[in-house]
Amino acid sequence: QSALTQPASVSGSPGQSITISCTGTSSDVGGYNSVSWYQQSPGKAPKLIIYDVNNRPSGVSPRFSGSKSGNTASLTISGLRADDEADYFCNSFTSSVTYIFGSGTTVTVL
Amino acid sequence: QVQMVQSGAEVKKPEASVKVSCKTSGYSFTTYGFIWVRRAPGQGLEWVGWINTYDGDTIYAPRFQGRVTMTTDTSTNTGYMELNSLTYDDTAVYYCARGRAGYYHFDYWGQGTLVTVSS
Repeated sequence: QSALTQPASVSGSPGQSITISCTGTSSDVGGYNSVSWYQQSPGKAPKLIIYDVNNRPSGVSPRFSGSKSGNTASLTISGLRADDEADYFCNSFTSSVTYIFGSGTTVTVL
Repeated sequence: QVQMVQSGAEVKKPEASVKVSCKTSGYSFTTYGFIWVRRAPGQGLEWVGWINTYDGDTIYAPRFQGRVTMTTDTSTNTGYMELNSLTYDDTAVYYCARGRAGYYHFDYWGQGTLVTVSS
């Protein structure tokens, strides 16, 4: 498995909510409460926005929330704003004691 | 405040090696480890490996095993990633990020170092 599965793109209008899925296996997403999410804008370093499935670091907007069911984790962005346009990546610890990223999702605000 | 400052862009020929540095400040260096991640053009993030700054223990992604070496210098609070036998597919922006043993996320990142492999 080279990457967790994410939709290539998700779009929404300002103010709407969108959800990005991240599907793995019982050896990664399903086996650990270790899913984190990163936001990456063009030319910038990734930024941690969710850790341990559903925790937000200090300073991250409460519009970002995370959840997990079985082998699939999800990131929800509510009250979509223009500056939410970016690439989003999930990440999980694995049973091989390594980490694996998702394939990435480009969020477009219409 | 926590800072992670990486070395500048590199251009290398195929089969050469590259060594990227990540100088840190603003926290206790040996309390946190490093991961190294890369993003090739048009691709997603890829985990390269992890180093525990306390004891030097490393874990590398299988596809880089034998070709990558991660080290740290506790006298200068700097981490290093060396990648050997470069191919065109290694062209990417390489990032360092801070993580803590037993925790599963990476909260501070370097600004990235572009490595271009070109003949």
